[in-house]
Amino acid sequence: AQKITQTQPGMFVQEKEAVTLDCTYDTSDPSYGLFWYKQPSSGEMIFLIYQGSYDQQNATEGRYSLNFQKARKSANLVISASQLGDSAMYFCAMREGMLGNFNKFYFGSGTKLNVKP
Amino acid sequence: AAGVIQSPRHLIKEKRETATLKCYPIPRHDTVYWYQQGPGQDPQFLISFYEKMQSDKGSIPDRFSAQQFSDYHSELNMSSLELGDSALYFCASSLASGTEARGAGNTIYFGEGSWLTVV
Repeated sequence: AQKITQTQPGMFVQEKEAVTLDCTYDTSDPSYGLFWYKQPSSGEMIFLIYQGSYDQQNATEGRYSLNFQKARKSANLVISASQLGDSAMYFCAMREGMLGNFNKFYFGSGTKLNVKP
Repeated sequence: AAGVIQSPRHLIKEKRETATLKCYPIPRHDTVYWYQQGPGQDPQFLISFYEKMQSDKGSIPDRFSAQQFSDYHSELNMSSLELGDSALYFCASSLASGTEARGAGNTIYFGEGSWLTVV
């Protein structure tokens, strides 16, 4: 089974609007972390936001917030007030086995976001 | 703040040649990962090291090998290169979660990647 599922290969959003990128995950490990990364066309992988499985509140980082619904195993990324520079590929990722030394880290297939002026 | 440093950023090799990619993790990070990302694909895990020892192995071809040195830098060696090896290669580093079980300290940080083109 897929560990991380991103069902939206591509998304369009109007500049200054909010957009939600979907991510669902599959794990039986009680301790895990969820991450979102942004990959612009230049290729670098930029860390955006982190949510731990034990965190009670949704993570927020500036215009990024993570809508964490543990029972549904979803970790959607919300970008508020989209900017043209937000156009990029976005990857959801998960790290299992947080209490061990040898972690596994899984990526979703990514969502390509295009922000329209 | 210091980030993960990868070199070279771009590399062009011919088929059957050998290439070596280098990675310098964030200071005090004890875990290094290597990923391969083909065009239009998500990153595929190759191999990881914890405290200079191989900790996990993914879809790394037998033609590839990697190691982590005493100063924690890592090298990915690729031999008998094939056209299909053309990809963006990422190195990433993190703290082992045994050091800090919770919080954003578990984040894995990526370098800017090394673009390998095999012609």
